[in-house]
Amino acid sequence: DADVTQTPRNRITKTGKRIMLECSQTKGHDRMYWYRQDPGLGLRLIYYSFDVKDINKGEISDGYSVSRQAQAKFSLSLESAIPNQTALYFCATSARSGTTYNEQFFGPGTRLTVL
Amino acid sequence: AQKITQTQPGMFVQEKEAVTLDCTYDTSDQSYGLFWYKQPSSGEMIFLIYQGSYDEQNATEGRYSLNFQKARKSANLVISASQLGDSAMYFCAMREVKYNFNKFYFGSGTKLNVKP
Repeated sequence: DADVTQTPRNRITKTGKRIMLECSQTKGHDRMYWYRQDPGLGLRLIYYSFDVKDINKGEISDGYSVSRQAQAKFSLSLESAIPNQTALYFCATSARSGTTYNEQFFGPGTRLTVL
Repeated sequence: AQKITQTQPGMFVQEKEAVTLDCTYDTSDQSYGLFWYKQPSSGEMIFLIYQGSYDEQNATEGRYSLNFQKARKSANLVISASQLGDSAMYFCAMREVKYNFNKFYFGSGTKLNVKP
């Protein structure tokens, strides 16, 4: 089973709709992240979370909100989706310490299309 | 300023040849980490190799090696003996520690095509 899972994997929605992307992890990591990937721009950080009580904005948080329901769950919401939010969204986790490199572990991605 | 710069949007390499993917970074920290990830067409992000800023030797993982030149702030990925399955996007990333939090920065990626 995957350590970091994302649901849904694909979603097509219409402008103005509310969308929630969910991320769950079984790695026991306290740090969680949401990124979006656009062609030619790499990954850009939307929000990140130290732990359940600590959530921080990344470089492109406008139009997004997040919820850290538990250590293992971190949801990303688009309150009113717009077409330029069409992208591939990744959830990632990292440990505070204890892993070899403290690298990030990524979910499989959610491909979101806003019409 | 860009934290991570990958200047090669796309590259071609002949199967079985070696290829170098460029990455430069910008940080004023003494302690940081450098990573390379592979993203095949299926979309997942696969961790390949890591170099710590205090590591004196270049990191190697199988056919992957990281050419770390600290003074030049470069962390190029070298893939030896390219295989068709190496065709993918490759991302260079850097980790800084800010307020006890690992913050990661990614480059825009290099699309590698391995020709048979």
